[in-house]
Amino acid sequence: DAEITQSPRHKITETGRQVTLACHQTWNHNNMFWYRQDLGHGLRLIHYSYGVQDTNKGEVSDGYSVSRSNTEDLPLTLESAASSQTSVYFCASSEAGDSPLHFGNGTRLTVT
Amino acid sequence: TQLLEQSPQFLSIQEGENLTVYCNSSSVFSSLQWYRQEPGEGPVLLVTVVTGGEVKKLKRLTFQFGDARKDSSLHITAAQPGDTGLYLCAGVGDNYGQNFVFGPGTRLSVLP
Repeated sequence: DAEITQSPRHKITETGRQVTLACHQTWNHNNMFWYRQDLGHGLRLIHYSYGVQDTNKGEVSDGYSVSRSNTEDLPLTLESAASSQTSVYFCASSEAGDSPLHFGNGTRLTVT
Repeated sequence: TQLLEQSPQFLSIQEGENLTVYCNSSSVFSSLQWYRQEPGEGPVLLVTVVTGGEVKKLKRLTFQFGDARKDSSLHITAAQPGDTGLYLCAGVGDNYGQNFVFGPGTRLSVLP
């Protein structure tokens, strides 16, 4: 069965360190998204991609970057981790612009 | 900026009770999706409503899209402990660049 996997599931890092969260999907979807989920805010869009070599900024993109070198992967990099980036991060993919999102199971990141 | 509000934020009920949760916005959406999220997992799509006034049923869950496509409701009949989770609505707009706007969610707890 097709799936979307995130790694690691949990990560603790120190302020100022660079961190990369992995996302891999086997749906063969062109669209991929990164969200962060915080209590009271729901899911907020960080970055998204509509295909290889395409990346776009979302609502809360400051301090984050993504790259899309193939269809399956969209890694999320925190350039210099800050305590405000402590959150649960979800990767998602979809077939088309308004098709339902398929989510991974999240990465819980703690920045100390 | 399109925003979605959900109410109530928290709901704790006994097994067998009925409940309704609401998703409201001042913006018009081309469609609206409902997701359920369980602890430690990503959201999973329940339903998509597209037409103003549309009603969809999924076993004991009834979803309605407002006539003006600005709001939606989810009604659960005879709630069961398995219905426990975070219910998220997501408005799908016409802006191809950032299609999904998520509400903050309603956290439902059904006690046996």
